[in-house]
Amino acid sequence: NAGVTQTPKFQVLKTGQSMTLQCAQDMNHNSMYWYRQDPGMGLRLIYYSASEGTTDKGEVPNGYNVSRLNKREFSLRLESAAPSQTSVYFCASSVAMGGYTFGSGTRLTVV
Amino acid sequence: DQQVKQNSPSLSVQEGRISILNCDYTNSMFDYFLWYKKYPAEGPTFLISISSIKDKNEDGRFTVFLNKSAKHLSLHIVPSQPGDSAVYFCAASAIVEYGNKLVFGAGTILRVKS
Repeated sequence: NAGVTQTPKFQVLKTGQSMTLQCAQDMNHNSMYWYRQDPGMGLRLIYYSASEGTTDKGEVPNGYNVSRLNKREFSLRLESAAPSQTSVYFCASSVAMGGYTFGSGTRLTVV
Repeated sequence: DQQVKQNSPSLSVQEGRISILNCDYTNSMFDYFLWYKKYPAEGPTFLISISSIKDKNEDGRFTVFLNKSAKHLSLHIVPSQPGDSAVYFCAASAIVEYGNKLVFGAGTILRVKS
């Protein structure tokens, strides 16, 4: 009963480096999401995937790309990391009209 | 422009008393509201929800009230327990208009003192 699994849990990047955050769910959910959490800002939607094969931008997509590899996996890529992308990143999944199940987060620091 | 606002960054309550967390929204298309609870180093977990066709929903110690005319909802925790100490996020969606995307408030840190 893993739910939503995110890797890595922690990462430090230098400005300009790239990396991919991985997310996998085992609940057979159609929809998956990437959020970032910043102090005083709550959780803001970066990208989402309503179903396998589709992805759409959320509120703060700049500097990110996503891939919905299959129904289980939804990855978030930072092509050229910037200090403004220092944040805690959460992946979530849901059925079509339901509450979200979140992963435990990835704490990313860009120096 | 925050569509979901939690104006109290923090709240401190004595164990056994009532905790009231407030949330305001601006988008009249929102039709489904949720509260999530988050402990440090963990992801948010679903707590309770309410549809716009209701004005109250209860689940054990947790009750959510919705006032559509005021665009306001609140979460009541009675009685409060030390284990309730966490960050509480209010969230809203407009399922018909925007699908199942949630818009979150900034969160309120609840501290329950024993």
